Amino acid sequence: DGGITQSPKYLFRKEGQNVTLSCEQNLNHDAMYWYRQDPGQGLRLIYYSQIVNDFQKGDIAEGYSVSREKKESFPLTVTSAQKNPTAFYLCASSKDSIVNYGYTFGSGTRLTVV
Amino acid sequence: RKEVEQDPGPFNVPEGATVAFNCTYSNSASQSFFWYRQDCRKEPKLLMSVYSSGNEDGRFTAQLNRASQYISLLIRDSKLSDSATYLCVVNWNFNKFYFGSGTKLNVKP
Repeated sequence: DGGITQSPKYLFRKEGQNVTLSCEQNLNHDAMYWYRQDPGQGLRLIYYSQIVNDFQKGDIAEGYSVSREKKESFPLTVTSAQKNPTAFYLCASSKDSIVNYGYTFGSGTRLTVV
Repeated sequence: RKEVEQDPGPFNVPEGATVAFNCTYSNSASQSFFWYRQDCRKEPKLLMSVYSSGNEDGRFTAQLNRASQYISLLIRDSKLSDSATYLCVVNWNFNKFYFGSGTKLNVKP
């Protein structure tokens, strides 16, 4: 079955560490996205990529970095510059015509700073 | 003002009740609209798109009011399994969707 796989499901980060969250899709979707969700808040866009080797900053890109070397993969690195990284991170993908189809989400990664 | 606003609830209703949520959006150029359902500590899942003429999927009815810039979701004959948070999602910029913070629904026996 096609879908989006995020790993790990839970991740603990020490202060000052960089960590990378994995996102892989086999839906043949061109566009991929990273969102962050905090308790009681809506999803906020971190980065998105419409095609391979291209990506754009979202609304809260500071302290994060991404790469899109393959269509299937869109990893997110949470750097030490991100001061409040504890959150639920969601990766999503969409067909070209997202107007009609919306997103497909992965099951998420819960990141906690310890 | 937030781009998309929802009443956080919770809405506590008995099984079999009809319940409705509204969601307001700020940008009149908004093009597409969706309702997503999110269970506790899970990812959001698409419930239904919202079309200009309104649309229905079983017990769920979605409507769009462009003049007043809101969308609504009506759930009839509520089931225990409908308990979740319902997210309103709006798009007005290609490939960028804006999410409301969600409305929590608790359906009680």
